[in-house]
Amino acid sequence: GESVGLHLPTLSVQEGDNSIINCAYSNSASDYFIWYKQESGKGPQFIIDIRSNMDKRQGQRVTVLLNKTVKHLSLQIAATQPGDSAVYFCAESLQAGTALIFGKGTTLSVSS
Amino acid sequence: GAVVSQHPSWVICKSGTSVKIECRSLDFQATTMFWYRQFPKQSLMLMATSNEGSKATYEQGVEKDKFLINHASLTLSTLTVTSAHPEDSSFYICSAMDRATANYGYTFGSGTRLTVV
Repeated sequence: GESVGLHLPTLSVQEGDNSIINCAYSNSASDYFIWYKQESGKGPQFIIDIRSNMDKRQGQRVTVLLNKTVKHLSLQIAATQPGDSAVYFCAESLQAGTALIFGKGTTLSVSS
Repeated sequence: GAVVSQHPSWVICKSGTSVKIECRSLDFQATTMFWYRQFPKQSLMLMATSNEGSKATYEQGVEKDKFLINHASLTLSTLTVTSAHPEDSSFYICSAMDRATANYGYTFGSGTRLTVV
């Protein structure tokens, strides 16, 4: 079945660096994508989302890029901080309002 | 913003007993709730989709008689793990959908850590 995968399981950066977390998705019909942050023992926390009719969306210190040609999603975090350390998941929705399918997750470790 | 309350946050039960987990949308009506299970160092795996007033739709491989889901109101869904076994020990997370928002507003609960001994 369809699944959302990640290229790298772990990413270690220095405080202040920019971080890029990647995600590949398999279903070209997916309409909606979300990046979540999950801290240990907690539920996923919404970071940013993007619809398939867009290729870039910016938030506070975060940017999501969507490349539908190669079915690739990325999350860029500017000036990474120790508080950004967590596991990051991308998720896709095949249709608006249907369940989210999660990728494997990337652990981001920020050292000061 | 939309808030989903999940209770309990953790529970320990004996093998063979049943455990109920509640998921409540506090400030919006959730016509649809999703239940996920997450094993350590793994991703969230969808277990079932719950629509208010109708039977839940279970993902392949999830036993509907073991994981009973009830969504009797627009603000409450419950997951009951029946005859729990140690292999059911996991982190269970609910997500409620707010159809009032343009992007259907998936909001997650804080999760329930279930340990079966």
